[in-house]
Amino acid sequence: AQSVAQPEDQVNVAEGNPLTVKCTYSVSGNPYLFWYVQYPNRGLQFLLKYITGDNLVKGSYGFEAEFNKSQTSFHLKKPSALVSDSALYFCAVRDYGQNFVFGPGTRLSVLP
Amino acid sequence: GAVVSQHPSRVICKSGTSVKIECRSLDFQATTMFWYRQFPKQSLMLMATSNEGSKATYEQGVEKDKFLINHASLTLSTLTVTSAHPEDSSFYICSARQGRGTDTQYFGPGTRLTVL
Repeated sequence: AQSVAQPEDQVNVAEGNPLTVKCTYSVSGNPYLFWYVQYPNRGLQFLLKYITGDNLVKGSYGFEAEFNKSQTSFHLKKPSALVSDSALYFCAVRDYGQNFVFGPGTRLSVLP
Repeated sequence: GAVVSQHPSRVICKSGTSVKIECRSLDFQATTMFWYRQFPKQSLMLMATSNEGSKATYEQGVEKDKFLINHASLTLSTLTVTSAHPEDSSFYICSARQGRGTDTQYFGPGTRLTVL
């Protein structure tokens, strides 16, 4: 069975500093990995995905994520955080032909 | 990019009534739509998957007679919460997938249901 872990409920970072939101996964086959962001009372917005190819994936709003097969991780990163990045971030995994499984979410707070 | 809308964004109803939530893909045809439920401070839980023109596939523990899903066209799916109770109060989010395989899901803005 697929599963996704986001070990941190909350991440606090100062504006302008780099940020990392962690995600580890467990799947039986090749993973298809996604990051979504959710603002209050809103649906999820797609940030980026890894299907195959380069392990470093670049996405929307300056975010990127690095796929690490040996560590089964797909951490989300941004070199310089903005206050407007404060939101709830979800990592998701999908086996081919299966539905998404979402992680529990990590709340990011960027402090001015 | 692909846009998915939901209507209404908020609904308040009395216990025992039924509520219909619409999910539309605005600029693409969605072969598959998904309905999720999200409790406060929790992740999304998949309720059901609907394919256009066929019956929805419900996840374990989701009552199909209570949460009626109709995927009438390639751009519209509806979720009807029948005989709603206060415990059905939640944030309901739909998503749509453009094709098969590993295509990205695009999410609607969500519907906040409050049952009094």
